[in-house]
Amino acid sequence: DAGVIQSPRHEVTEMGQEVTLRCKPISGHNSLFWYRQTMMRGLELLIYFNNNVPIDDSGMPEDRFSAKMPNASFSTLKIQPSEPRDSAVYFCASNEGQGRNTIYFGEGSWLTVV
Amino acid sequence: GDSVTQMEGPVTLSEEAFLTINCTYTATGYPSLFWYVQYPGEGLQLLLKATKADDKGSNKGFEATYRKETTSFHLEKGSVQVSDSAVYFCALSEDGGATNKLIFGTGTLLAVQP
Repeated sequence: DAGVIQSPRHEVTEMGQEVTLRCKPISGHNSLFWYRQTMMRGLELLIYFNNNVPIDDSGMPEDRFSAKMPNASFSTLKIQPSEPRDSAVYFCASNEGQGRNTIYFGEGSWLTVV
Repeated sequence: GDSVTQMEGPVTLSEEAFLTINCTYTATGYPSLFWYVQYPGEGLQLLLKATKADDKGSNKGFEATYRKETTSFHLEKGSVQVSDSAVYFCALSEDGGATNKLIFGTGTLLAVQP
């Protein structure tokens, strides 16, 4: 079975450019999560969706970050404009959305902003 | 708010040594508790979980017991292998698992030497 699929796996971009990260959750999963991982701050939850609706975006660092989920099989995380401090690994994760079910992570998008 | 504290690494062990990685939590409700493992260059994978007090999660020789009285969920393995080298994250689910929103500890790097 396909897991959570993220793209791109690696991206290097210049400061000020727009970055779009993409995620395809596991089919049938109703909840989708975006996490950011850095050495300094560890794993931070940025935003999560339930049935394509954003439920909690309190972790989104600032207005430069936005996330969308136009349908059950696709989500994007956009940074515009990007800054060097946005360099991190961004993980997408999904789960069935109810009870105490396991959250499954993608392999991450490694972003470097120079 | 809810939080997870785990021992800082790196933890360096010889093959076949006994492993303990400490994890304690603070939560207002009754969270589910998890250990995730991250191998180099990969995303996080669920290692084991426990959903209520006194439950023991186990997988691949790893064990952890949900101790409500000490608010702990320490990870143990009787005999580690080189292939166990990874970063281990303790996590809890906020809202008692209603949303599956996970709060992670900072991670503990385990390095096993042959």
